[in-house]
Amino acid sequence: GAVVSQHPSWVICKSGTSVKIECRSLDFQATTMFWYRQFPKQSLMLMATSNEGSKATYEQGVEKDKFLINHASLTLSTLTVTSAHPEDSSFYICSARVLKGYNEQFFGPGTRLTVL
Amino acid sequence: RKEVEQDPGPFNVPEGATVAFNCTYSNSASQSFFWYRQDCRKEPKLLMSVYSSGNEDGRFTAQLNRASQYISLLIRDSKLSDSATYLCVVNSMDSNYQLIWGAGTKLIIKP
Repeated sequence: GAVVSQHPSWVICKSGTSVKIECRSLDFQATTMFWYRQFPKQSLMLMATSNEGSKATYEQGVEKDKFLINHASLTLSTLTVTSAHPEDSSFYICSARVLKGYNEQFFGPGTRLTVL
Repeated sequence: RKEVEQDPGPFNVPEGATVAFNCTYSNSASQSFFWYRQDCRKEPKLLMSVYSSGNEDGRFTAQLNRASQYISLLIRDSKLSDSATYLCVVNSMDSNYQLIWGAGTKLIIKP
């Protein structure tokens, strides 16, 4: 299957700092990438959908100025959590889809963010 | 009402037993259905797609009931390694193929 990597795997930072998470499709070109957040014992919640070369579409309740998404190429999307606070601590997972209408998404291993 | 609902469990099952759980969905226009498996602190991994006619993959059988809007997953001869959270996932064209996730059912297989 297709491989998606995420970096870093985990990060601990102080409140007020910004954290950038990278999501890469290693062996395929992803027209669409998705960013999810998962709190303990809860389901994955879609934060935003990004298509290469265009602005991300954010889900209701997700602040676009706080969670900056850049999808600069068909193999790389980044999520920057700006001015992180303890309530932003979560498991952030990206996924990539090859074609619209093609159901399967390939997931990265996730990034565990802890904000002190 | 949540779009995709699952019993959170946990289901505690002895090794070798058969276990089944359901997932209900609210959008009758849903077109595609999946079961994902997620281990603790890991990303979800696709276990199987669910087809209208039902499908089987080794010890795992998935069924779809469109009339009652639920899908099921049955695991036979359960192994210790089956312990995980099983996530029900649904999508439809009218949601731009976004995946809608259930909160998951936790399964614990005991020796």
